[in-house]
Amino acid sequence: GENVEQHPSTLSVQEGDSAVIKCTYSDSASNYFPWYKQELGKGPQLIIDIRSNVGEKKDQRIAVTLNKTAKHFSLHITETQPEDSAVYFCAASTPAGRRALTFGSGTRLQVQP
Amino acid sequence: SQTIHQWPATLVQPVGSPLSLECTVEGTSNPNLYWYRQAAGRGLQLLFYSVGIGQISSEVPQNLSASRPQDRQFILSSKKLLLSDSGFYLCAWSVGFGYTEAFFGQGTRLTVV
Repeated sequence: GENVEQHPSTLSVQEGDSAVIKCTYSDSASNYFPWYKQELGKGPQLIIDIRSNVGEKKDQRIAVTLNKTAKHFSLHITETQPEDSAVYFCAASTPAGRRALTFGSGTRLQVQP
Repeated sequence: SQTIHQWPATLVQPVGSPLSLECTVEGTSNPNLYWYRQAAGRGLQLLFYSVGIGQISSEVPQNLSASRPQDRQFILSSKKLLLSDSGFYLCAWSVGFGYTEAFFGQGTRLTVV
């Protein structure tokens, strides 16, 4: 089945700096890669996603890149703000087989004011 | 618009007691439904998913069971809780597999004492 690995597990940056979180996946059939943000005590919320027919997607300060050959994808947050502090999860989904998202282990991002 | 309700928000139960967590979805028909568990500081582990009424797939052998008595209702149960059942339980729904976003509830913090 699919296996998603996420790094780093914790990340501390200064306000205004950029943050990058990386994930790798194992199943070459995976075709959908969402990123979720989870604030303390709440359920995860989708912040951006990318499909396998696209190499990069951007939404304001957030961007995601996908390298299908290497089977890895990354989340980039620019001009970080204290409210970006949260746990971020990457995930991957395949059209067949295990019929649900497989999540990475999460990255705790702390933006220092 | 679609909404997902999960309750209770927090629960403290003694070892050996039964468990029933309920999740309902509004504003959509025939959703795919999921139960995830999140241990402290860790990722999301898929426990069960359902593609329709009475159809339950189990991902991990464990002390828990799930049921879907109605199209938009998903219940997580246990006959006798173990200490290791403590965690943050999340219900989620999606419109399909492989290419679609999953929407999460706010979660239930279960502490088994």
